[in-house]
Amino acid sequence: GQQLNQSPQSMFIQEGEDVSMNCTSSSIFNTWLWYKQDPGEGPVLLIALYKAGELTSNGRLTAQFGITRKDSFLNISASIPSDVGIYFCAGGGTSYGKLTFGQGTILTVHP
Amino acid sequence: NAGVTQTPKFQVLKTGQSMTLQCAQDMNHEYMSWYRQDPGMGLRLIHYSVGAGITDQGEVPNGYNVSRSTTEDFPLRLLSAAPSQTSVYFCASSYSFTGTFSTGELFFGEGSRLTVL
Repeated sequence: GQQLNQSPQSMFIQEGEDVSMNCTSSSIFNTWLWYKQDPGEGPVLLIALYKAGELTSNGRLTAQFGITRKDSFLNISASIPSDVGIYFCAGGGTSYGKLTFGQGTILTVHP
Repeated sequence: NAGVTQTPKFQVLKTGQSMTLQCAQDMNHEYMSWYRQDPGMGLRLIHYSVGAGITDQGEVPNGYNVSRSTTEDFPLRLLSAAPSQTSVYFCASSYSFTGTFSTGELFFGEGSRLTVL
């Protein structure tokens, strides 16, 4: 089946630093999405991308849909302690009813 | 507005026991799905439904059954629990889930943590 490789697996940063994470796939997707999971809760959608090359921002978050449709990245600027959590990329739009998730990036922010 | 509600939040089973994880949503969503989350493996799709009376298999369906008799409810049944089914299970729903992905947002429940001894 389709697989996504998300990196890095974990990050330990200081408050105020910028963060970058990405997802790559051997298959193309028509949609890329980024979710965040806080401890003990379900994932929540951060950004959705629907067009190859699209660059979208949501506050301090910026995400891009790669031109090849096989990758996406998420940047977080000026990190704060509440950014702590697990970030997941997800690809969709090629198999009816199915999203494929990456393995997740665990983000720790030190005050 | 409750959103997606999962019960129970925690459950311990012995190998071979059966149980049902409940999921209910009050947003009139057509699409509902079940995922399991394991360390280092992300979220993997177990089963999904695009409407009442319609279900289909995801990536890891073995050992699980589902049914969708109403729009609101999508229970997940473990027929004979095995230690490999120890995991955190998430139910998620969405307005629609077409092949072209007109809306990509899944709304997740808070999860059900299952331990099989």
